Amino acid sequence: DGGITQSPKYLFRKEGQNVTLSCEQNLNHDAMYWYRQDPGQGLRLIYYSQIVNDFQKGDIAEGYSVSREKKESFPLTVTSAQKNPTAFYLCASSPSLRTEAFFGQGTRLTVV
Amino acid sequence: AQSVTQPDIHITVSEGASLELRCNYSYGATPYLFWYVQSPGQGLQLLLKYFSGDTLVQGIKGFEAEFKRSQSSFNLRKPSVHWSDAAEYFCAVGNSGGSNYKLTFGKGTLLTVNP
Repeated sequence: DGGITQSPKYLFRKEGQNVTLSCEQNLNHDAMYWYRQDPGQGLRLIYYSQIVNDFQKGDIAEGYSVSREKKESFPLTVTSAQKNPTAFYLCASSPSLRTEAFFGQGTRLTVV
Repeated sequence: AQSVTQPDIHITVSEGASLELRCNYSYGATPYLFWYVQSPGQGLQLLLKYFSGDTLVQGIKGFEAEFKRSQSSFNLRKPSVHWSDAAEYFCAVGNSGGSNYKLTFGKGTLLTVNP
């Protein structure tokens, strides 16, 4: 089945540690996105990528990093510089930038 | 920069009643508009989209939305709500012009359905 896979579903880390969230898609989509969701805040864009080896900062990129070495993969690293990393993280993809986005099931990150 | 406002944080309706969820946007031209639905702890599912053409768009699960340029609105409607429609609903706007595309989401409306 085609889709977007985020792993793991739940992730726990100690404060000060970097952590990488996985996002893989087999939809052959060019564009991929990372959003952060906090209660009552909607979705906020962290990073997006239009093509392989290219990515752009979104509205809240500080403390996060990404890579896009393969078309199907867009991992997100939450670094120790992110001051409040506990949140629900959503990965999405779209055939191109100016089309609808399709979402994965999310990863809930808890930093203790 | 575009923005989206969903004025209602929480709406409660009875099963079988009609539903309208409000969405207002701010953008200088005709935007791309979307409605998504999210069940607790899950990702977002696309309900419907508007790019151009007919301003009344039909989506999945019996939902429809109407683009009203004069009111900068894209309200979501359903004539008869089912208990399974209880979820959080997000309106989103994408810029139709410019070099950097952004998909901006509203803060969501939580729908509760009473039996």
